[in-house]
Amino acid sequence: EIVLTQSPGTLSLSPGERATLSCRASQSFSSSYLAWYQQKPGQAPRLLIYAASSRATGIPDRFSGSGAGTDFTLTISRLEPEDFAVYYCQQYSGSLPYTFGQGTKLEIK
Amino acid sequence: QVQLVQSGAEVKNPGASVKVSCKASGYRFIGQYIHWVRQAPGQGLEWMGRINPNTGDTDYAQKFQGRVTLTRDTSISTAYMEVRSLRSDDSVIYYCVREALGMDVWGKGTTVTVSS
Repeated sequence: EIVLTQSPGTLSLSPGERATLSCRASQSFSSSYLAWYQQKPGQAPRLLIYAASSRATGIPDRFSGSGAGTDFTLTISRLEPEDFAVYYCQQYSGSLPYTFGQGTKLEIK
Repeated sequence: QVQLVQSGAEVKNPGASVKVSCKASGYRFIGQYIHWVRQAPGQGLEWMGRINPNTGDTDYAQKFQGRVTLTRDTSISTAYMEVRSLRSDDSVIYYCVREALGMDVWGKGTTVTVSS
């Protein structure tokens, strides 16, 4: 099983600042199968990024993803008030089970 | 528009079973996998398994093997998840999710409460 470890657990920033979220895998896999999701309280998760760096439909360009192998990053260039939420990375490679990171909570400083 | 509509909240006794439905619309149902993901209150996301709606083939996380069954009815574009021998720690939200490019469409979730 591929274990994904996200850091930090909580990130406290102000609107307008840049956020950098990390996701590290226990073993290497194709970046074609790494996704990022955003979840707000009381809502289902929403796909932000797939294939490590491709934005999903309707996702603003302030969200970007990068990385390969075992290290992946989600960057939010300029935080908007609506961006404060919990973010999860996920691998969906051919190696079952699909796994999620434990999440990073992005909170307003 | 593409959507997954899940059945409503359930309250069950310990040891009972629950079956949650997930009706797809706005796309070709047999074209993409449907996954089931669960989330305990205040906790992270846990992948349970997936079904290929075209063939009916399934894969399960080892934790749920033997206690969870995924099925589908292609005539009504609906996927189902049944959990048997419910315990208190099965009191979570269950999501069905379409996999296209990533898990791109999520149902709103079904809350299952297990309580005597």
